[in-house]
Amino acid sequence: SQTIHQWPATLVQPVGSPLSLECTVEGTSNPNLYWYRQAAGRGLQLLFYSVGIGQISSEVPQNLSASRPQDRQFILSSKKLLLSDSGFYLCAWTPRDRDREKLFFGSGTQLSVL
Amino acid sequence: AQTVTQSQPEMSVQEAETVTLSCTYDTSESDYYLFWYKQPPSRQMILVIRQEAYKQQNATENRFSVNFQKAAKSFSLKISDSQLGDAAMYFCAYRSALNTGTASKLTFGTGTRLQVTL
Repeated sequence: SQTIHQWPATLVQPVGSPLSLECTVEGTSNPNLYWYRQAAGRGLQLLFYSVGIGQISSEVPQNLSASRPQDRQFILSSKKLLLSDSGFYLCAWTPRDRDREKLFFGSGTQLSVL
Repeated sequence: AQTVTQSQPEMSVQEAETVTLSCTYDTSESDYYLFWYKQPPSRQMILVIRQEAYKQQNATENRFSVNFQKAAKSFSLKISDSQLGDAAMYFCAYRSALNTGTASKLTFGTGTRLQVTL
């Protein structure tokens, strides 16, 4: 069966520090991968998605970037964090074969920028 | 652009009773998918139910069912025989059926927090 791992679960970082959140998917190949952010009391906002290695699409201009160095690895980064980057970050994937519209989520990372 | 609206920030239901969560959406497309996701206190998003717009029959998954009204652009979730474990945030989401072979970009509502009381 497929599983998605996301870490760390919680992160507290000072303003201006770098960021690296990692996500890996197991049990499937060539998934589509996504990064979502959930601000306090709000819905989910799509930040980035990737349909293949090295292919990144950005949905919202911001202080963050994403990379996909391997087929099942998706990384969210920032060179210098802002206070407004605080939030709950969720990695997700969709299959390539059946049920391609179903989005499966990781357990999330709570990022607090102080 | 598509929008999804959940007008009930909070709802409450007694255990074993039935509750309905509302969702409306705005789109000019004729083919799309609609979803309900549950986010329990663990904050992991769990897919509850999915509806394809071209299907007239309402989707059901055990105690969960939807009332899909395409003309009214309404997609409500009914939870029957509510259990304590149903307490969570519930998000309605929309996905265009165009380009289904590429990325599945979902648009989410702001959520409804459901409390289940004894």
